[in-house]
Amino acid sequence: DAGVTQSPTHLIKTRGQQVTLRCSPKSGHDTVSWYQQALGQGPQFIFQYYEEEERQRGNFPDRFSGHQFPNYSSELNVNALLLGDSALYLCASSRPPSNGYTFGSGTRLTVV
Amino acid sequence: GENVEQHPSTLSVQEGDSAVIKCTYSDSASNYFPWYKQELGKRPQLIIDIRSNVGEKKDQRIAVTLNKTAKHFSLHITETQPEDSAVYFCAAQRSTNAGKSTFGDGTTLTVKP
Repeated sequence: DAGVTQSPTHLIKTRGQQVTLRCSPKSGHDTVSWYQQALGQGPQFIFQYYEEEERQRGNFPDRFSGHQFPNYSSELNVNALLLGDSALYLCASSRPPSNGYTFGSGTRLTVV
Repeated sequence: GENVEQHPSTLSVQEGDSAVIKCTYSDSASNYFPWYKQELGKRPQLIIDIRSNVGEKKDQRIAVTLNKTAKHFSLHITETQPEDSAVYFCAAQRSTNAGKSTFGDGTTLTVKP
């Protein structure tokens, strides 16, 4: 039973560039949430996708956008990268009515 | 919006001792409270959760208590073992279709053999 898979595992980008991160949810899960985790901090909610639509959004600028596909997989896009975007990006899947998340191992993004 | 505060930020105990981590939340509408364990370089993993209609829940050496009136909840680990060493995160969530979870900043637990 595959868990949540994310790709790539590591990524180095230059300021101003754009990046796309990918996530495949756990089998049977239909809801995907994205979190940003800075070093030494708890995960910060970016947004959540359900039925291919953004259902909730955290306090992140419009540079952060996403998409969910019919197979429930999801992408996170970040435009005009800033140094402060360097972080671990975690994808978490779930299936209501269960509330708990299953997290992926994350993508470590470094912006230089 | 919701704010979750977690204490202490670091905790060191001897193997076999108990460990307690406390969290407070601000949104009185939150009614689902999960705890996650994150080992170094690994993904956060759900270890226990509690809903607002329950005051306490236990799973082997791990227990969670909730005081809705005071808006705080705690994680209790008994008979700690070195493999319990990790960062623990609490979170609070409105239980509406697995929505947004607000996380605390984590507690680094070190269990000394």
